[in-house]
Amino acid sequence: DTAVSQTPKYLVTQMGNDKSIKCEQNLGHDTMYWYKQDSKKFLKIMFSYNNKELIINETVPNRFSPKSPDKAHLNLHINSLELGDSAVYFCASSRSPGPGYTFGSGTRLTVV
Amino acid sequence: GENVEQHPSTLSVQEGDSAVIKCTYSDSASNYFPWYKQELGKRPQLIIDIRSNVGEKKDQRIAVTLNKTAKHFSLHITETQPEDSAVYFCAASSGSGGGADGLTFGKGTHLIIQP
Repeated sequence: DTAVSQTPKYLVTQMGNDKSIKCEQNLGHDTMYWYKQDSKKFLKIMFSYNNKELIINETVPNRFSPKSPDKAHLNLHINSLELGDSAVYFCASSRSPGPGYTFGSGTRLTVV
Repeated sequence: GENVEQHPSTLSVQEGDSAVIKCTYSDSASNYFPWYKQELGKRPQLIIDIRSNVGEKKDQRIAVTLNKTAKHFSLHITETQPEDSAVYFCAASSGSGGGADGLTFGKGTHLIIQP
């Protein structure tokens, strides 16, 4: 049983398209996150959701929108994709307070 | 906001030697400091963490030290093995253990273990 699962693992799409990445956790955690890892491996937080409430939005373009249908899911929608959006996107979850994050396996997004 | 600096960016050591990775943070309110290991093409995985009320923590070959006054913390790996080769990230949070406040990561250290 995968604790934090995200789909798809790979996503190749053209500029201007709209795409979604899904994330689910079965750990009973109350907070979920999206991180972006760029080509230089830098991990930067994008969003976090706690009990279905957005509590962090780190100056991410509004083309990115997180959607949480319930406490176990946090999906990431991206509109009008740009070349610079190419990266690996990691979902994560934690208990607050908790011993740290559990990351999903990542989604490699390539915009062509 | 929090800023975490990590050094070195690349570290090459002989198998069996020790490796040390250092991080500094800016926010004195930070109280939780985890370290993650990321192998090529895989997810970051928590290897050890420390809270601000503790100065040192050890788990087998891995140890972390924290100096709150100087606002720096370090990862120590002894008797390095080929499987220790990976990218290591330090992080800091002012939440109660990596909770809703989010983690600020360092830029990572690529550790290479030479046979």
